[in-house]
Amino acid sequence: GQSLEQPSEVTAVEGAIVQINCTYQTSGFYGLSWYQQHDGGAPTFLSYNALDGLEETGRFSSFLSRSDSYGYLLLQELQMKDSASYFCAVRSEENYGQNFVFGPGTRLSVLP
Amino acid sequence: NAGVTQTPKFRVLKTGQSMTLLCAQDMNHEYMYWYRQDPGMGLRLIHYSVGEGTTAKGEVPDGYNVSRLKKQNFLLGLESAAPSQTSVYFCASSESGTQETQYFGPGTRLLVL
Repeated sequence: GQSLEQPSEVTAVEGAIVQINCTYQTSGFYGLSWYQQHDGGAPTFLSYNALDGLEETGRFSSFLSRSDSYGYLLLQELQMKDSASYFCAVRSEENYGQNFVFGPGTRLSVLP
Repeated sequence: NAGVTQTPKFRVLKTGQSMTLLCAQDMNHEYMYWYRQDPGMGLRLIHYSVGEGTTAKGEVPDGYNVSRLKKQNFLLGLESAAPSQTSVYFCASSESGTQETQYFGPGTRLLVL
C-alpha cells in the first residue's frame, strides 16, 4: 500500500522559518509534490521534487531524500497569509502512473 | 481564462437520490481527475481520465461513475447517494500524465442526509 505521514499541526510567528516534514511509503516513486490549501479553498501547487536535493521558489523551498523516503517544505519569512493547510503528495506507478496519493495535511498557524 | 470550474458549488441530497457534478477546464488539458476530501483529511482519488472518451478508477471508485465525452468536461455521477458520500469534491486537470502540477477547481460541497 501507499501512505504518507505529516505532522497534523505546526505553529510559528510572523517572520519566522518553519519546516513541514513528510515521510512516504509507495511503490514506483516518481516524485514528491507540495500543495497549499486555505480554509474553504482549493489546493494550489507549490513545488515538486523528483531528484534528491533542495528546490527553491521564492520564500518556499522543498527538499527530497529518496533514500530516506523523506521530504520537507521550508517556509521562510512567514506571513499571516501563509496560515493554511499544506499537503505532500506522491505519484506512484499504480493506475499507469496516475495514482496520486495525498498526505493528511499539516495545518500551519502563523501568529502575529 | 477561467481555469477549472465546478458546478454546483453546494448541494444537499437525500439518501438514494442521484446527481451529476460537472467539471470544466479551458486549458486544453488532457488529464482530468476527481477527488474527494473529508474533514481533516487529504484528497483521495476517485476516478481519472487520460483523454476524451477514456476513464479509469482511482483509489475510491465505489458508488461513483464518470464520463468524459468532451475533452474540456469531466462528469462525476452518484447513482444512489449515501451519507458516506458526504464530502467536498474537487476536480483537477493537468497538461499531461507526467506533469506534476494539477490545477484544481473550487470544489463542490455535498451533503447527503
